[in-house]
Amino acid sequence: AQSVTQPDIHITVSEGASLELRCNYSYGATPYLFWYVQSPGQGLQLLLKYFSGDTLVQGIKGFEAEFKRSQSSFNLRKPSVHWSDAAEYFCAVGPIFQGAQKLVFGQGTRLTINP
Amino acid sequence: ETGVTQSPTHLIKTRGQQVTLRCSSQSGHNTVSWYQQALGQGPQFIFQYYREEENGRGNFPPRFSGLQFPNYSSELNVNALELDDSALYLCASSLGDSRYEQYFGPGTRLTVT
Repeated sequence: AQSVTQPDIHITVSEGASLELRCNYSYGATPYLFWYVQSPGQGLQLLLKYFSGDTLVQGIKGFEAEFKRSQSSFNLRKPSVHWSDAAEYFCAVGPIFQGAQKLVFGQGTRLTINP
Repeated sequence: ETGVTQSPTHLIKTRGQQVTLRCSSQSGHNTVSWYQQALGQGPQFIFQYYREEENGRGNFPPRFSGLQFPNYSSELNVNALELDDSALYLCASSLGDSRYEQYFGPGTRLTVT
């Protein structure tokens, strides 16, 4: 069965510092890969997605992610964080098979920004 | 363009009761998925509806059921509520062939006492 691991439950960075959130997946083939952000009391907003092609994908709000097949990873990065980036971040995979397009999510990483 | 909306925002029920949650899809979307997000966890897939038919189900008991209507809006029904059903319930809409580009609503916070 497919699974997603986000090793860091909580990360704190200073405003203006760089950020990397880790994501590893377990699946027999290359799935579709996603990063979502959830602000307190809100639903999920799609930051970026990887389906195929260039392994470095750009998303909204200045985020990017790199797919590394050899490491089964899809880490999210941002060169300089802003206080408004404080939120919960979820990595998700979409297995490629016939039928329901269900997303499998990791446990999430809570990001705190120090002023 | 109207996004995904859900109602109600919050709900408090007693163990053993039944609840119905509602979701309106984003305009033009024919697929609706429901997820349960327990506190401190990632969302878990409950089921998906495509053109009014259930298109797949996660590891949830039959007391979780759903409907999709001709206008592609959807309901999630939960019977015989248990304390562990307390969670944020998220609805996501998409086009059937959109390769998982799911757009989420703000969720319904269900508390079971």
